[in-house]
Amino acid sequence: GAGVSQSPSNKVTEKGKDVELRCDPISGHTALYWYRQRLGQGLEFLIYFQGNSAPDKSGLPSDRFSAERTGESVSTLTIQRTQQEDSAVYLCASSLAAFTGLNSPLHFGNGTRLTVT
Amino acid sequence: DAKTTQPTSMDCAEGRAANLPCNHSTISGNEYVYWYRQIHSQGPQYIIHGLKNNETNEMASLIITEDRKSSTLILPHATLRDTAVYYCIVRVVQNAGNMLTFGGGTRLMVKP
Repeated sequence: GAGVSQSPSNKVTEKGKDVELRCDPISGHTALYWYRQRLGQGLEFLIYFQGNSAPDKSGLPSDRFSAERTGESVSTLTIQRTQQEDSAVYLCASSLAAFTGLNSPLHFGNGTRLTVT
Repeated sequence: DAKTTQPTSMDCAEGRAANLPCNHSTISGNEYVYWYRQIHSQGPQYIIHGLKNNETNEMASLIITEDRKSSTLILPHATLRDTAVYYCIVRVVQNAGNMLTFGGGTRLMVKP
């Protein structure tokens, strides 16, 4: 079946504007994760969902960042009043469950490259 | 999650085996070793994982030492398309904050 799909693949926005990034996980995957990767750097964890709930939001960089998930499927990551430091690739991943004895690996999308000018 | 240590970069000749080491000396008994790789401009790709026993799949083999303090990912016949950053991660499966923590990884360059 299809993998994790993210849209848009690229987004250029002006400083101060709001952006919405979308993630379509693999069908049947109840856990969904958002990561951020700045140029030449490693992955920074932002938030995860088990079903439609996000048990831990402490990874979000600031209150300008929010995320939601509906129908245990699509998730959107919203960044309000974007800043240049928000420029990065935003990666989404999904897995069968956030915590399980089944050792379900994460499957990643190819990310949304966000550039704030 | 336990911290991992990997070499920053490695080279490998095309067609030869690539052996990527990882130290995880503080690993706990319930922590699994996962390997991912990231090819330029793509999301990380799952390769393999294990707990105690050595594992093999169509992509690679994972050798875990008996004390579990280190492991080696083996790509048996490296190709140019295996050039990527390889991440070794130790992960507790049953953890309320269950996500992968990525370190710096090893940049593997496969050369013709």
